[in-house]
Amino acid sequence: KNEVEQSPQNLTAQEGEFITINCSYSVGISALHWLQQHPGGGIVSLFMLSSGKKKHGRLIATINIQEKHSSLHITASHPRDSAVYICAVIIQGAQKLVFGQGTRLTINP
Amino acid sequence: DVKVTQSSRYLVKRTGEKVFLECVQDMDHENMFWYRQDPGLGLRLIYFSYDVKMKEKGDIPEGYSVSREKKERFSLILESASTNQTSMYLCASIRTGFWYEQYFGPGTRLTVT
Repeated sequence: KNEVEQSPQNLTAQEGEFITINCSYSVGISALHWLQQHPGGGIVSLFMLSSGKKKHGRLIATINIQEKHSSLHITASHPRDSAVYICAVIIQGAQKLVFGQGTRLTINP
Repeated sequence: DVKVTQSSRYLVKRTGEKVFLECVQDMDHENMFWYRQDPGLGLRLIYFSYDVKMKEKGDIPEGYSVSREKKERFSLILESASTNQTSMYLCASIRTGFWYEQYFGPGTRLTVT
């Protein structure tokens, strides 16, 4: 079993829908990272969080340390949100990232 | 505004060839990483370097080596390419401790035939 599991692996929705991507992990972490990868490969950082909730525009990320679970939400989704969303955790004391498999999101107009 | 560059976007090599993938960052970061990305497996760490001439094995180092002779440049070497090394290779860098500012290169899609 992977240390970091994302669900769903693929998600297709209509423009305007509320999107939720989930990430569960089984190890002790110092922080969790949400990343976005557009077609063509480039990866950008969206959020890094170690507790609570963060919001940036239409994106919201939450983390529950006790449950070892994080969610990424997109409100009022748009076709330009179509990308692969990747969850990664920073292993406590190890200074390295462990990545989930990614969630491929497609938003249809 | 270029921060992390990789030498090629697409590369096709034959089985048994020696392959060099180069990564250059212009942010004076101490730490650099090589990952490979495969469908269903996500990104996996091959090697990382926390300083010039220093290197550490990641989770899947077999079949790969690395070189870091200058701070800005981190090279990944496939000594004898095999078809199971067909993958997307991504380089990344961070300043020590600044994980939220991890910058990735655009990736190199390597096909070994």
